[in-house]
Amino acid sequence: GAVVSQHPSRVICKSGTSVKIECRSLDFQATTMFWYRQFPKQSLMLMATSNEGSKATYEQGVEKDKFLINHASLTLSTLTVTSAHPEDSSFYICSARAWNSYNEQFFGPGTRLTVL
Amino acid sequence: AQTVTQSQPEMSVQEAETVTLSCTYDTSENNYYLFWYKQPPSRQMILVIRQEAYKQQNATENRFSVNFQKAAKSFSLKISDSQLGDTAMYFCAFRREYGNKLVFGAGTILRVKS
Repeated sequence: GAVVSQHPSRVICKSGTSVKIECRSLDFQATTMFWYRQFPKQSLMLMATSNEGSKATYEQGVEKDKFLINHASLTLSTLTVTSAHPEDSSFYICSARAWNSYNEQFFGPGTRLTVL
Repeated sequence: AQTVTQSQPEMSVQEAETVTLSCTYDTSENNYYLFWYKQPPSRQMILVIRQEAYKQQNATENRFSVNFQKAAKSFSLKISDSQLGDTAMYFCAFRREYGNKLVFGAGTILRVKS
């Protein structure tokens, strides 16, 4: 159990376009999901905390108008990179918090975004 | 604010041998959780082991065990009988007892050699 999926796994887009990444908890409900960004050989950087039915909480330095997060249901959160630029190219990972004894986070497989 | 430090950017170990990855953290909290995550080349984050700070006994999961020293704020991971499949980046992470966020260390790349 506790599987998190992400779609797409890879996306290539042109500069100036918008890209949507979906994160789904497949076998549990997640009131809270998290979006991370990871550069090669570096750690995960938390971008925002996504709360079902309310606005996301963004980390300092993350542009909320650039990275739109929607958590419309207990199993789905989306991250939209608006007006993407080459510097937005990165690996994006989501996780979902399960309501078990440890409130553990389960991670999706990640999405590689390349902006040309 | 909490910080997590992994001082070993890269490590290598021969297959079947034992390796220890270091992690230190800084917090003023008394109760919290510590985790080791593995990120293989597939980039999928996998939980290796967790430790609750209020438990004195060190956590173990098969070939993986931790040395948790609360006073020293140290949380090292020991991998016994290393296997080629253990090759990955390993992240140490901290979470407050009732918190949401994971605070990650910079990671250690572990290469298991045959």
